[in-house]
Amino acid sequence: EADIYQTPRYLVIGTGKKITLECSQTMGHDKMYWYQQDPGMELHLIHYSYGVNSTEKGDLSSESTVSRIRTEHFPLTLESARPSHTSQYLCASSDVTRALRGTQYFGPGTRLTVL
Amino acid sequence: GESVGLHLPTLSVQEGDNSIINCAYSNSASDYFIWYKQESGKGPQFIIDIRSNMDKRQGQRVTVLLNKTVKHLSLQIAATQPGDSAVYFCAETLTGGGNKLTFGTGTQLKVEL
Repeated sequence: EADIYQTPRYLVIGTGKKITLECSQTMGHDKMYWYQQDPGMELHLIHYSYGVNSTEKGDLSSESTVSRIRTEHFPLTLESARPSHTSQYLCASSDVTRALRGTQYFGPGTRLTVL
Repeated sequence: GESVGLHLPTLSVQEGDNSIINCAYSNSASDYFIWYKQESGKGPQFIIDIRSNMDKRQGQRVTVLLNKTVKHLSLQIAATQPGDSAVYFCAETLTGGGNKLTFGTGTQLKVEL
């Protein structure tokens, strides 16, 4: 069982609100990722980080931003939420120094609904 | 945002039967492949992986087969149990590509009692 946590698990907010989705891992993994997943659909990478002070945009364009000030923490922020942001957000981490070639371990996800 | 009206491919099997879930991957240069299981309301969970220099790998009740010629991956689950009901995703990556995974469309496995 991977030690990666996401809060909140569920969030319902109104349009225009600023929100931050939290993700923390206790495995000391250097790489962390954020994915967006609509119900029944594949995962799309929106942000990733190779380590502290490193952040990159993923394959799917997103209006969210991320930061990586500490190894264990990788929060995602939406400055002004809109109904189009309604989705599930999954955080993952990996450690490429291990023989598993960087298998990613996922948190439980945050289900976001913007009204 | 939300997508409406799309359904995952579904595989229904009887409890105790073997299941075979298929996946076509896109990048012929990918050299590492992973199968994930995602239960309702949870994040994907690692099941088994395989490198491109292998064509078969076995785990506990699961086997992954890789056919690089046709860019096809399959997951075989032996003696399928109700707890195996979930959505299964394959993912591919290229070593040195920053461990960025590309996920395929999932398959919903339903185990009937």
